[in-house]
Amino acid sequence: KAGVTQTPRYLIKTRGQQVTLSCSPISGHRSVSWYQQTPGQGLQFLFEYFSETQRNKGNFPGRFSGRQFSNSRSEMNVSTLELGDSALYLCASSPDRGGEKLFFGSGTQLSVL
Amino acid sequence: AQKVTQAQTEISVVEKEDVTLDCVYETRDTTYYLFWYKQPPSGELVFLIRRNSFDEQNEISGRYSWNFQKSTSSFNFTITASQVVDSAVYFCALSEGGNAGNMLTFGGGTRLMVKP
Repeated sequence: KAGVTQTPRYLIKTRGQQVTLSCSPISGHRSVSWYQQTPGQGLQFLFEYFSETQRNKGNFPGRFSGRQFSNSRSEMNVSTLELGDSALYLCASSPDRGGEKLFFGSGTQLSVL
Repeated sequence: AQKVTQAQTEISVVEKEDVTLDCVYETRDTTYYLFWYKQPPSGELVFLIRRNSFDEQNEISGRYSWNFQKSTSSFNFTITASQVVDSAVYFCALSEGGNAGNMLTFGGGTRLMVKP
């Protein structure tokens, strides 16, 4: 089985732009979660989608949004980028929801200049 | 609110030494799940272990072992006879399951450096 795939691997944007990151979960997995990792704040939960519905959201501003498609693939969008949005964005999938083991992708490294 | 603390930011050992990574957690729930993940330089988080709050049995997997103690809210991880390949950042994490779904609260991580 293919693992969790995230594209692109690296991204460079400038302040004020918007960005869309993509995540393809492991086949059969219905839950997709997103995390932001920065040196200062560590790993922080962004949101979780399950069967196309957002089930949980972390403490991030409304500029961060996401969605999940019927094939479980997910995208997250960040609008009006700020320097502080520079981070590694990790996607994780699991078969179901509720304290499950998560399978993580290699992440998208976003740099905002 | 839940919280995970990994007091050791960085640990350096020489190969073949044993090393213990500490993890202390806080939660109001009686049902919760604890995890350890490893993050090598490539970036992806690799699952090591999951333990639910009702199972306090210690676990051993090869050179890895975990000690879960509810009385002290700790879930420590020991690597026996460390190897250079064990060098990575290790994260302890907590999930409350239920309505919290797969939302994980991570500790700050412990960077382990194993020198030959």
